[in-house]
Amino acid sequence: QVTLKESGPALVKPTQTLTLTCTFSGFSLNTPGMRVSWIRQPPGKALEWLARIDWDDERFYTTSLQTRLTISRDTSKDQVVLTMTNMDPVDTATYYCARMSLVLDYFDYWGQGTVVTVSS
Amino acid sequence: EIVLTQSPATLSLSPGERATLSCRASQSISTSLAWYQHKPGQAPRLLIYDASTRATGIPARFSGSGSGTDFTLTISSLEPEDLAVYYCQQRSNWPPIFTFGPGTKVEVK
Repeated sequence: QVTLKESGPALVKPTQTLTLTCTFSGFSLNTPGMRVSWIRQPPGKALEWLARIDWDDERFYTTSLQTRLTISRDTSKDQVVLTMTNMDPVDTATYYCARMSLVLDYFDYWGQGTVVTVSS
Repeated sequence: EIVLTQSPATLSLSPGERATLSCRASQSISTSLAWYQHKPGQAPRLLIYDASTRATGIPARFSGSGSGTDFTLTISSLEPEDLAVYYCQQRSNWPPIFTFGPGTKVEVK
């Protein structure tokens, strides 16, 4: 059974760095073809893909935020970490992690999401 | 960058009625499109991928069609539990970029 769960601070101050962790089970990011992405949804707005890390440690970022984002993995802990620097109130959103695979190149399993509010 | 638009923004129907949701891409994406169902407080769920293939465990009342720039998600007979926001999503192979439409909210009367 594939599960993903996001964790991290619920509140961050403007200019701070956000660190989110996605802990998953039911698959391994060492398996060829496996990928994990981060996606966010500001209140009342659409979903926005942020970043992806692949089984071979390749990393991809959305163009508009690539200077602020870093995605990494800890395969021993089955975790993927997203850091976002210089947080701003517009970054207030629910942040999701989701799995993709080479076989099914869409987001087939998602976490429940974690709400992050940026406020002083 | 490819932009997805969805219509209508809100669809209000009675149980048993047919729901037709539209997604339009700003340029041709062949059949590289998925549909997701997102219920309040839950994780989004993949319904349809490659424009018309139902994901594992998805009821047969959900179907997808289209190619190029125009896509449709059809719920043949609406159930009360289908209350949700439905998003389309496209993927480009290289570089990997994924974009979502703004969503259609389905209300069940």
